[in-house]
Amino acid sequence: AQSVAQPEDQVNVAEGNPLTVKCTYSVSGNPYLFWYVQYPNRGLQFLLKYITGDNLVKGSYGFEAEFNKSQTSFHLKKPSALVSDSALYFCAVRDPGGNTGFQKLVFGTGTRLLVSP
Amino acid sequence: DGGITQSPKYLFRKEGQNVTLSCEQNLNHDAMYWYRQDPGQGLRLIYYSQIVNDFQKGDIAEGYSVSREKKESFPLTVTSAQKNPTAFYLCASMKRGLAGGPIAGELFFGEGSRLTVL
Repeated sequence: AQSVAQPEDQVNVAEGNPLTVKCTYSVSGNPYLFWYVQYPNRGLQFLLKYITGDNLVKGSYGFEAEFNKSQTSFHLKKPSALVSDSALYFCAVRDPGGNTGFQKLVFGTGTRLLVSP
Repeated sequence: DGGITQSPKYLFRKEGQNVTLSCEQNLNHDAMYWYRQDPGQGLRLIYYSQIVNDFQKGDIAEGYSVSREKKESFPLTVTSAQKNPTAFYLCASMKRGLAGGPIAGELFFGEGSRLTVL
């Protein structure tokens, strides 16, 4: 079964410093990986995805993610954190659905990012 | 603007009552999903549907029911059989791209409905 793991419940970083939110994956076949962000009492917003191609994927709000096949990781990064980046971040992997071909996303448990002024 | 609308945003229910959460989308997406979110557990899939009049159980379907009579609508009923229904419920949709296509897999989410059982 496809799965992702987010080993950190919370990440703290000072504004202006680089940030990394970690994600590792376990898949059979080629991984299709995603990052989403959630602000309090809101739905999830898509940040970026890796399907194929360059290992460094650029997304919304200055975020990027690095795909590393040998380490089965897909860490989310930003060169300079903002206080407004404080939110809950979810990593997800596509489950292609086997014989049905009906795809769905499997989510990690989420990492809370706190950026201090 | 295209998007997904969930209602109500907040809902209180007494034990033993069924409640229905609404989800409507005008994105012309084929696939729709219901997730449940609990603190520290991430998102868990309740039900999903890829076409009108068809839906499949997800990982935690017990105590829930859905219908898909129209492409735009995918309501979720939380029944009295659901033992711990207090949670944040998220509806999502996906354009049904070809397997492996670049648009495949991106979910669009509604703003969520928070259900509290009193």
